[in-house]
Amino acid sequence: QSVLTQPPSVSAAPGQKVTISCSGSSSNIGNNYVSWYQQLPGTAPKLLIFNNNKRPSGIPDRFSGSKSGTSATLDITALQTGDEADYYCEANDNSLTAYVFGTGTKVTVL
Amino acid sequence: EVQLVESGGGLVQPGVSLRLSCAASGFTFSNSWMTWVRQAPGKGLEWVANINQDGRTINYIDSVKGRFTISRDNAKNSLFLQMHTLRAEDTAVYYCARDQGWGAYDYWGQGTLVTVSS
Repeated sequence: QSVLTQPPSVSAAPGQKVTISCSGSSSNIGNNYVSWYQQLPGTAPKLLIFNNNKRPSGIPDRFSGSKSGTSATLDITALQTGDEADYYCEANDNSLTAYVFGTGTKVTVL
Repeated sequence: EVQLVESGGGLVQPGVSLRLSCAASGFTFSNSWMTWVRQAPGKGLEWVANINQDGRTINYIDSVKGRFTISRDNAKNSLFLQMHTLRAEDTAVYYCARDQGWGAYDYWGQGTLVTVSS
C-alpha cells in the first residue's frame, strides 16, 4: 500500500483537460519535492515534472504540476490520444527514509 | 546519448539469489545518485533502493532490507542489485534509474524481469 494516493482513473475527450491528484502527508509531500512520471504501455517511466512544477527539456507545457500542503496535482491540457498512459507521483518520505510512488492513475482519452 | 542497460533477470526458485546489473553510459556516472525501481506484473511502481555517488549512503524499502544489497562500481560505470532469499512477491520488472536530484529520475533503463516461482 503506497502512502501517496491517486485516483485509479481519469478520462476526458481529446482537447479537454484532466487533473490528477496525489495525496500524501507532512512526512512526504508536505516537506519534499514531488515528481511526476508518465508510463506508456510496455515502456519505462518518463519524467514529466520535477521539483513540484518544473518540466524537463522536451516536455510540452500542456503538462503542469503544482503542490499545496500535503497534496500535489498534475494537469494535462489539450489532451491527445498519445497521452493515454499511467501516471505516477513520487516523493521522498522522511519517516520511511525512502522514496515512494503514488498508486498510479490511468488516463483514458475518450 | 544516455543509456542504462539492465541485465541479470530470469526465472528463479524461491529462496535463491540473483544479481542484477545496470551498465551506464552517456553521462558522468560517478556524479550521480542511482536508484532501483521495480514493477510487479500489472501493478504500480515501487521504489526499492538508492545509492549516492561514492556508495557510502544507501537506503532501502523495508521489504528488502537484509535481503537486497545495492552497490556500484564507478570505474566500470555500473550499478548492481544483489538479491538474496528471493520471494514470490519480488517478481517484477526491475529498472535502474538516474536521480538528477531530489528524487527526479530523468533516465531509465528498459528493465529486466525477475520471476520467482517454483
